[in-house]
Amino acid sequence: KAGVTQTPRYLIKTRGQQVTLSCSPISGHRSVSWYQQTPGQGLQFLFEYFSETQRNKGNFPGRFSGRQFSNSRSEMNVSTLELGDSALYLCASSLARVGNEQFFGPGTRLTVL
Amino acid sequence: DAKTTQPTSMDCAEGRAANLPCNHSTISGNEYVYWYRQIHSQGPQYIIHGLKNNETNEMASLIITEDRKSSTLILPHATLRDTAVYYCIVRVDSGSRLTFGEGTQLTVNP
Repeated sequence: KAGVTQTPRYLIKTRGQQVTLSCSPISGHRSVSWYQQTPGQGLQFLFEYFSETQRNKGNFPGRFSGRQFSNSRSEMNVSTLELGDSALYLCASSLARVGNEQFFGPGTRLTVL
Repeated sequence: DAKTTQPTSMDCAEGRAANLPCNHSTISGNEYVYWYRQIHSQGPQYIIHGLKNNETNEMASLIITEDRKSSTLILPHATLRDTAVYYCIVRVDSGSRLTFGEGTQLTVNP
C-alpha cells in the first residue's frame, strides 16, 4: 500500500508570495492533518480535514488555510509569506477511527527568503 | 490533552534494550498514551499506544503504571536505525490532533 505523499518536497519562495502544498493520503484514509515543524516551536498542529470539512484547527493566523477534495487529497495554502513560515510542513492521514494511528508523509521543506 | 514530561536525551548501546520514560501525572481516565518517533528530517512514525494495559507489537513494548501517571517505551534490542526523537503523547482518542512536546533524543551507539 502506498504511503502518504507530499508535493513538492522542497520549495523556495520570497516574502509576500503565496504557496500551495499538496498531500495525498493513504488509500481509504479520510482524515488528513497538517503540521508545521520549526526548530524553535517544534511540531505544531495546523488543521485537520475529514470528508472535505475542517473539523479541527490549531492556533495559526488566517494566512494558513487548507481544503480537502472528494478523493481525500488535501492542499494547504499560505498567503503573504513571512520569513518565519520557513519550516517543514507535514501531512498525516488516518482512518479516523478510535484507536488508529496517523501515518505521516515525508514533508515539504519550505524556505522563505 | 494531558502534558507529558520526557528526558531531553538518552544514550543506549546497540543490541541493548532502550527504556524511554514518560511522566503524565495529569492524565485523565479516557486519555491514551501514544508513542511516535521521528528520524532526522523524516515524518514522525507511529510506534505503539495503550490505555491501561501493557502493549507489545513488532516494534516495541509499552509499560503503563497502575496509576497511569507514567509509562515506559521499551525497544528490546536497539539498533543504530533506532536513533531518533521519541515523542510521548497523551490524548483523548477522538479526532486526529496530536500535541507534540520536545521528546527524547535517543542515540544508539555502536
